[in-house]
Amino acid sequence: RKEVEQDPGPFNVPEGATVAFNCTYSNSASQSFFWYRQDCRKEPKLLMSVYSSGNEDGRFTAQLNRASQYISLLIRDSKLSDSATYLCVVSLGVLGGSQGNLIFGKGTKLSVKP
Amino acid sequence: NAGVMQNPRHLVRRRGQEARLRCSPMKGHSHVYWYRQLPEEGLKFMVYLQKENIIDESGMPKERFSAEFPKEGPSILRIQQVVRGDSAAYFCASSPLQGRGEKLFFGSGTQLSVL
Repeated sequence: RKEVEQDPGPFNVPEGATVAFNCTYSNSASQSFFWYRQDCRKEPKLLMSVYSSGNEDGRFTAQLNRASQYISLLIRDSKLSDSATYLCVVSLGVLGGSQGNLIFGKGTKLSVKP
Repeated sequence: NAGVMQNPRHLVRRRGQEARLRCSPMKGHSHVYWYRQLPEEGLKFMVYLQKENIIDESGMPKERFSAEFPKEGPSILRIQQVVRGDSAAYFCASSPLQGRGEKLFFGSGTQLSVL
């Protein structure tokens, strides 16, 4: 089983649509969770952290279900500029912890059409 | 405040040559991470360094790959005797703290092409 698994897509949606991405992770000891965004051939950029209570940042909402080892990202009112690959990222580390590396999923490709 | 600087942006090598990839972390960052992204794959952790120390190299291939982060100067990822399978995007990231994803800043990457 892969450490972090995502549906590769592509998700092709019209502007204004709501789209949801899911991700599962295999290591129950994982402590930190993130969504990164990567545009074609560019570096990944942090979109948002994911907290157990769920969190929202504008049009983006992230959820974490530790029992099911499942993470989600919801994008409301999609914009053309949201077109990118969304990477689910997991870390065993916590603040001050000893495990520093991030484990990336392969990403889910989103294409928002006019 | 410049971000993480990687150079070269693109590097072309023939099989058997050496590739040297450089990474200058953000000012004030003492933790450097190297990741590799093969075509159509996710980023894979390679190595984590602090100044003059390799902290975690569990993702480094056993042969031909080495990394350093000297007291002065950039971090270097060195690949000896490159093969076609080394063609990938190599990303460096730096952090002021150990490990937290939201404190990790990535460089633009070096695209290595092996002919």
